[in-house]
Amino acid sequence: KNEVEQSPQNLTAQEGEFITINCSYSVGISALHWLQQHPGGGIVSLFMLSSGKKKHGRLIATINIQEKHSSLHITASHPRDSAVYICAVLRSARQLTFGSGTQLTVLP
Amino acid sequence: NAGVMQNPRHLVRRRGQEARLRCSPMKGHSHVYWYRQLPEEGLKFMVYLQKENIIDESGMPKERFSAEFPKEGPSILRIQQVVRGDSAAYFCASSPGQGDSGNTIYFGEGSWLTVV
Repeated sequence: KNEVEQSPQNLTAQEGEFITINCSYSVGISALHWLQQHPGGGIVSLFMLSSGKKKHGRLIATINIQEKHSSLHITASHPRDSAVYICAVLRSARQLTFGSGTQLTVLP
Repeated sequence: NAGVMQNPRHLVRRRGQEARLRCSPMKGHSHVYWYRQLPEEGLKFMVYLQKENIIDESGMPKERFSAEFPKEGPSILRIQQVVRGDSAAYFCASSPGQGDSGNTIYFGEGSWLTVV
């Protein structure tokens, strides 16, 4: 079993829909990152969380440390949100362990 | 304030040649990380360096791969005698390493290595 599990693997939505991507982990962590990767492109860090909730524009990230679970929400989705979203957990040795990613496609 | 700079962005090497990938961390960052993304696979940790020190290389293949972060200049990931299986995207990231933002990490654009 992977230490970081993401769901769903693939997600197709219509423009304007509310989107949720989930991440569960099985190890102790000091922080959790949500990353965005466009096709053939670099990686952008969207959020770093160690507790609670963060919001940036249409993106919201939450984490429940007791449940070992985090969610990334996108409100009013847009085709430009189409990308791979990756959950990564930071362990004490500063080593990031990555989920396999969620391929999001938002159709106009 | 320039971000994490990686070069080259794309590199083509024949089997048996050497590949050198460079990474300049963000200004003020003393911690550098290298990750590899094989085709159709997720990102995997390779190595964590601080200036002149390798802190954790548990993700590095035992042979042909080496990394350094000298006192002056960029971090270098070196792959000797490349094979087709080394074809991948190699991402560098950096962090301040200290203080409240010590865990904040910034990624470079990646270097895509193709071995022919």
